[in-house]
Amino acid sequence: TQLLEQSPQFLSIQEGENLTVYCNSSSVFSSLQWYRQEPGEGPVLLVTVVTGGEVKKLKRLTFQFGDARKDSSLHITAAQPGDTGLYLCAGSGSGNTGKLIFGQGTTLQVKP
Amino acid sequence: KAGVTQTPRYLIKTRGQQVTLSCSPISGHRSVSWYQQTPGQGLQFLFEYFSETQRNKGNFPGRFSGRQFSNSRSEMNVSTLELGDSALYLCASSSLTGPLDTQYFGPGTRLTVL
Repeated sequence: TQLLEQSPQFLSIQEGENLTVYCNSSSVFSSLQWYRQEPGEGPVLLVTVVTGGEVKKLKRLTFQFGDARKDSSLHITAAQPGDTGLYLCAGSGSGNTGKLIFGQGTTLQVKP
Repeated sequence: KAGVTQTPRYLIKTRGQQVTLSCSPISGHRSVSWYQQTPGQGLQFLFEYFSETQRNKGNFPGRFSGRQFSNSRSEMNVSTLELGDSALYLCASSSLTGPLDTQYFGPGTRLTVL
């Protein structure tokens, strides 16, 4: 069974601080996606990483896929209150068509 | 392009009843996946349909079922509702056919079972 462990589960920081969210597994994933979800809404895709060692940047967000494709991280620089939300990592396994395995999520609160 | 739409957005049912939720994928997307989201279990995969065929199924009881129509719209049905079925039900669509699919989610249907 493929599992994704996400940490930390909760994070409360001041505006301007940096933070990193981790997503780890003992399984290899074909790709890994990061989503952000607002209360009562569906997850919104931030990025998909496919290649081991890949690094993608989205403004102040930096995403990294581990060399072995078993882990990923999301780093936010100079967090802003608008970054507040639930961050989810999700992996696609080989042969598991249409099925994403989700981490438990990280609830981020950025205080002004 | 319009995004994934789900109807209804909110539902209140009582134990023992059944419910049908609907999902319209992004135009051109042929794969629709369904997920259940609860505070305790997070997002869990229910099933996935492609070209009217169920290709993958999660570990949920047979009370949870689904189908897909020729226009790629999908429905999921939950029979004999239990209190523990209260959750946000999300559907997601994707355009590709393999495991590298990127899935795009709808806003969800919030089901409350009393």
